[in-house]
Amino acid sequence: GESVGLHLPTLSVQEGDNSIINCAYSNSASDYFIWYKQESGKGPQFIIDIRSNMDKRQGQRVTVLLNKTVKHLSLQIAATQPGDSAVYFCAETNNYGQNFVFGPGTRLSVLP
Amino acid sequence: ETGVTQTPRHLVMGMTNKKSLKCEQHLGHNAMYWYKQSAKKPLELMFVYSLEERVENNSVPSRFSPECPNSSHLFLHLHTLQPEDSALYLCASSRGLTNTGELFFGEGSRLTVL
Repeated sequence: GESVGLHLPTLSVQEGDNSIINCAYSNSASDYFIWYKQESGKGPQFIIDIRSNMDKRQGQRVTVLLNKTVKHLSLQIAATQPGDSAVYFCAETNNYGQNFVFGPGTRLSVLP
Repeated sequence: ETGVTQTPRHLVMGMTNKKSLKCEQHLGHNAMYWYKQSAKKPLELMFVYSLEERVENNSVPSRFSPECPNSSHLFLHLHTLQPEDSALYLCASSRGLTNTGELFFGEGSRLTVL
C-alpha cells in the first residue's frame, strides 16, 4: 500500500479470491489504526479498526493484521466481490486521537 | 449515509470568485474537520474544530477560511483560489478529539478552479 511514483498501487484479483492489501506506517508511537474504503465519487467509509494491543481483528469478510515490529498493517478481504472494488486507505494515530495520518491508498480491482 | 452531509457536491469557480463549502453532521459529534484530497497526495488535514473552537490549522493558505458556528455545522470559505487548489474537499466528524475512535466522512465537495 505504498505510493509508487505518482500512481496509486493497484491490486487486481479474481472475483471469489481473497485479497490482501498492505500498508507500512511511519510512527512507532501510533496506537490506533483504521482501514477505510473509498468508492468512486464517495467519501471514505470505515471498514475496520485495531488498537496496538492487538495483532489481529476480524470483521465480516475482513481481517486486519498488525505487525508492530516492522510497522506493517494489512487488510484481508475474503471471497472478494465486485462491490469491493475501491481505493483502500490505512490511517494511523496515537493516543487514539484526531491526528490521523493517511496512507496513499491502494486501488482494488475485482475481475469477473 | 454516514450522517455527514456536504454541499455542494461539485463546484466550479474562477480564481477571483468567492464561494463556500458547507458541512453538516447529524451524529451529535463535538469535533469537525476539513481534509483535502488531491489526485497525487494522501489525505491532507486542513483544519480541526472542537466544540466550535479551532484547534488546528495545518499551515493552510489564508485563501481558505473555515467557520464553525456550532458543533453541527462547518464551512470552508474560498477566495482567490489557484488552479492547484482543485481537489476533493472532505468534511469529517468525530465524537471528540481524543480517545473517540474513527472519523466519519462526508461524500466530499469536488472543486475545480479555472
